[in-house]
Amino acid sequence: QVQLVQSGVEVKKPGASVTVSCKSSGYAFTSYGISWVRQAPGQGPEWMAWINGYNGKTKYAQKFQDRVTLTTDTSTSTTFMELRTLISDDTAIYYCARDRLGMATLDYWGQGTLVTVAS
Amino acid sequence: DIQMTQSPSSLSASVGDRVTITCRASQTITTYLNWYQQRPGKAPKILVYVASSLVSGVPSRFSGSGSGTQFTLTISSLQAEDFATYYCQQNYDMPFTFGQGTRLEIK
Repeated sequence: QVQLVQSGVEVKKPGASVTVSCKSSGYAFTSYGISWVRQAPGQGPEWMAWINGYNGKTKYAQKFQDRVTLTTDTSTSTTFMELRTLISDDTAIYYCARDRLGMATLDYWGQGTLVTVAS
Repeated sequence: DIQMTQSPSSLSASVGDRVTITCRASQTITTYLNWYQQRPGKAPKILVYVASSLVSGVPSRFSGSGSGTQFTLTISSLQAEDFATYYCQQNYDMPFTFGQGTRLEIK
């Protein structure tokens, strides 16, 4: 069965960086992409970016273009999301989700990773 | 960015009721519209894609309709497990934006 398993809770100080990982299993990793979506407390989800599992091509929401980098390790079917220069408004649950074409039709999701930014 | 506006923001209903949630886009998105269900403490789950196509395994009491700027998600006969928050999401243009959600509560 398709599974996306994310890394654990992170607590960071303002200005720091965080990297969240997402390990995929149960499907052909290079046939799909992975999108990242975050959800701040009490808010709706917010799409951030997408990476193609085959060739590493990326798409970023303009809001995150300068602060987010997505990478993949095809040998372990793992995707990484790095968010830099953290501010308190980045406190949220970060989800990875399978997204074949980079069109944000998100059919399987990770369990989420809580990132808290606080001094 | 395309703004997605859902109504109502919350809704109280009983098991067996028929409920409809509306989603409006700030510009035309043809049928590039998905619906998700989110239970507390869980990741969203996709229910409907391209406005009216039901995801495999989703009960047939769920249905989606609409095109252009106006869309609806209907649950024909509410079951206990349907009480959750529902989000629409456009994938017509980046950034792919979500509505603010409709919280469906037990009356």
